[in-house]
Amino acid sequence: DVKVTQSSRYLVKRTGEKVFLECVQDMDHENMFWYRQDPGLGLRLIYFSYDVKMKEKGDIPEGYSVSREKKERFSLILESASTNQTSMYLCASTPGVTSTDTQYFGPGTRLTVL
Amino acid sequence: AQSVSQHNHHVILSEAASLELGCNYSYGGTVNLFWYVQYPGQHLQLLLKYFSGDPLVKGIKGFEAEFIKSKFSFNLRKPSVQWSDTAEYFCAVTSSGGSYIPTFGRGTSLIVHP
Repeated sequence: DVKVTQSSRYLVKRTGEKVFLECVQDMDHENMFWYRQDPGLGLRLIYFSYDVKMKEKGDIPEGYSVSREKKERFSLILESASTNQTSMYLCASTPGVTSTDTQYFGPGTRLTVL
Repeated sequence: AQSVSQHNHHVILSEAASLELGCNYSYGGTVNLFWYVQYPGQHLQLLLKYFSGDPLVKGIKGFEAEFIKSKFSFNLRKPSVQWSDTAEYFCAVTSSGGSYIPTFGRGTSLIVHP
């Protein structure tokens, strides 16, 4: 089974802090994604990466950056956390770049910014 | 750009009732369609998907969905729900020959009373 793990289930940070969310997948998947999930808004794509050191902006990249130094690891960085970034953050991966690929999700990190 | 609309945001049913969750997409070309489910405290996971062939697709736990091209719809059905079906359900679409990045609907929260 594909396993996608995220470094924390719950995180509480203060406004202005730099926040790192880490995601690791163990199935040699090419693509990795970061979403945020908010009630009534569904999943919104922040960034994705189709290869090591490659990244593409999603629908809501403002206030976020990402890093992919190794194939299995994809990090989401909040340079200066703000209260409107309080949300559930989901990491996902897919085997390749085929439009029929299933997304495999991690358990999520619930981030609260005070 | 493609979009996905889930009409029912909150659905409350009693056990043994029948379920139908609506999903409509807007995209003029060939699509691939997915339903994902998120049980309380668990990862988002694939319920079923359609990319070609029989438009009636069967998934896990007795769920099925029918792709009706003329109506741009991919509604999810289950003839008799159980308390354990309480979850959030997301419809998603990708375009064949286009972007492999899925567009998600806003989700439907289903509560099944025992």
